[in-house]
Amino acid sequence: HLQLQESGPGLVKPSETLSLTCTVSGDSIGSGRYYWGWIRQPPGKGLEWIGTIYYTGTTYYNPSLKSQVTISVDTSKNQVSLKMNSVTAADTAVYYCMRQSTGSYQWTFDFWGQGILVTVSS
Amino acid sequence: QSALTQPASVSGSPGQSITISCTGTSSDIGSYNLVSWYQQHPGKPPKLMIYAVSQRPSGVSGRFSGSKSANTATLTISGLQAEDEADYYCCSYAPTSTVVFGGGTKLTVL
Repeated sequence: HLQLQESGPGLVKPSETLSLTCTVSGDSIGSGRYYWGWIRQPPGKGLEWIGTIYYTGTTYYNPSLKSQVTISVDTSKNQVSLKMNSVTAADTAVYYCMRQSTGSYQWTFDFWGQGILVTVSS
Repeated sequence: QSALTQPASVSGSPGQSITISCTGTSSDIGSYNLVSWYQQHPGKPPKLMIYAVSQRPSGVSGRFSGSKSANTATLTISGLQAEDEADYYCCSYAPTSTVVFGGGTKLTVL
């Protein structure tokens, strides 16, 4: 069955780069059946879409985060990665890896990882 | 783009029906049938409950339904059960190639 496992440091210093990896099992990113990406949720707050990637490397980013974020894919490892530079305390959040539908129902997030809490603090 | 507007909280008794509204603009909800709803229990990841305005994924109870009128989407939960108590988020496609979420609604089952 499908599993999305987020991994990476739980603590990042201000102004540094946040780096997370999502390892997918139970599905193949390279099949092209889905998009993949990241959504975050600050503690006690709502959801914010960060960005989405297709196995070809085509990316879509939240305009408000675009200058700060890079999402990449490694089909050989079945992984999706997130890099966010120049982080501040406002970037403290639970970061979720997600699977996104293709075709007519694109922009539907039909499966989510358990999430990883990343705290930005010195 | 601005976040979609949801009520902060709604409540209902077991067996009752409740609705949660999600108001956007003519550029997002009003222009596309790409509204989805997510249920989130404390400490858990969100779960897709409704997609494409009114479609229900396999395994989601028929007590959950969705609709849309103009710039407002609505989630209806009928026959309210204790397990429905959770936060609910709406989401819509917005041009160009982005999405926007609502602020979330806390459902309390009395």
